[in-house]
Amino acid sequence: DADVTQTPRNRITKTGKRIMLECSQTKGHDRMYWYRQDPGLGLRLIYYSFDVKDINKGEISDGYSVSRQAQAKFSLSLESAIPNQTALYFCATSDSAGRTDTQYFGPGTRLTVL
Amino acid sequence: KNEVEQSPQNLTAQEGEFITINCSYSVGISALHWLQQHPGGGIVSLFMLSSGKKKHGRLIATINIQEKHSSLHITASHPRDSAVYICAGWFTGNQFYFGTGTSLTVIP
Repeated sequence: DADVTQTPRNRITKTGKRIMLECSQTKGHDRMYWYRQDPGLGLRLIYYSFDVKDINKGEISDGYSVSRQAQAKFSLSLESAIPNQTALYFCATSDSAGRTDTQYFGPGTRLTVL
Repeated sequence: KNEVEQSPQNLTAQEGEFITINCSYSVGISALHWLQQHPGGGIVSLFMLSSGKKKHGRLIATINIQEKHSSLHITASHPRDSAVYICAGWFTGNQFYFGTGTSLTVIP
């Protein structure tokens, strides 16, 4: 089984709908991240959490919110989806106790907002 | 404003060639990461370094803190190395910025 899972893997929705993307990890890591990837713009950080009680905004947090329900779960919500939120979304985890802070990425969620 | 700049954007090489991908960054970086994104979209972390040099198989990453520059080298390139290579770093203020990636194609 994959260490970092994302659900759903693909989602098509309409403008104005509320969407939740979920991320779960079995690696026991304390740090979790949400990124989006757009063609030509690369990856950008949306939100990150260094532990369950810690939530931080990234470069492009406007229009998004997150919830760290447990150490293993980090959800990303789009309260009212708009077409320019169409992108590939990645969740990642890392371990602050490790020497390398290597990030482990989920497989991605392709979101299309019509 | 792009905190992390990569070059080249695209690179085509013959199998067996030595490949170098460059990454330059602005002040305030605490650690630099090299990532590989496979044609199917999956992302794998290759290296994290804050000084010196690291080697893993045919991959070598170096960083020069004074010059704010890092390089990723691939020795004896192979078609399976074809992917997008991305550098990224943690900057002052706890923000993580990515380069736009270098798309590498290795031809048999």
